[in-house]
Amino acid sequence: IQLTQSPPSLSASVGDRVTITCRASQGIRDNLAWYQQKPGKAPNLLIYTASILQSGVPSRFSGSGSETDFTLTISSLQPEDFATYYCQHVNTNPLTFGGGTKVEIK
Amino acid sequence: EVQLAQSGAEMKKPGESLKISCKASGYSFSHYWVAWVRQMPGKGLEWMGVIYPDDSDARYSPSFQGHVTISADMSISTAYLHWSSLKASDTAIYYCARPHYGQPFSPFDSWGQGTLVTVSS
Repeated sequence: IQLTQSPPSLSASVGDRVTITCRASQGIRDNLAWYQQKPGKAPNLLIYTASILQSGVPSRFSGSGSETDFTLTISSLQPEDFATYYCQHVNTNPLTFGGGTKVEIK
Repeated sequence: EVQLAQSGAEMKKPGESLKISCKASGYSFSHYWVAWVRQMPGKGLEWMGVIYPDDSDARYSPSFQGHVTISADMSISTAYLHWSSLKASDTAIYYCARPHYGQPFSPFDSWGQGTLVTVSS
């Protein structure tokens, strides 16, 4: 199963609403997670089962979608949110990740 | 608190063998799968495989099957990733991670800090 993220990168300002999309090559129900990775750090789980917020993750992050089309939304971008975001399907072996979306400061 | 502590950076030559480790604490190691993820320089994340320490049931991505071996030692709560013959293309950061549920294919809620492996002649 291939995951295609778009856009590969984006520039945004603090306070902006940001949406990242992830498209699966076949239906995966809601078996999708989102991660944030900052330079030099391990990824951090944000969302699982497409829309469930991981404990401790700010509520400005939200996820939606099912089967082949998913979105990660940051309702009001904060300085600490500038990072790379990855989607991951957990439907079958092999698990795969999207190519990533780098969110940069405008 | 769940913690995954990985071994330090390694510099190796092509053809050499290597085993890196991931020591777990803060939870029942034998009852959770442990996964390995590769990140090549400047690139994205790749799932390599996963192991259930209790019975050493290991599942591999077809892309990595036969190239690496995943193992675990319950007595010291440690998972391993092993290469018998490294290639320059194995240069990457390797992360261990714990699947969120007690299932092999589930999101990773805890990650190690990563181990940088550099393979160069």
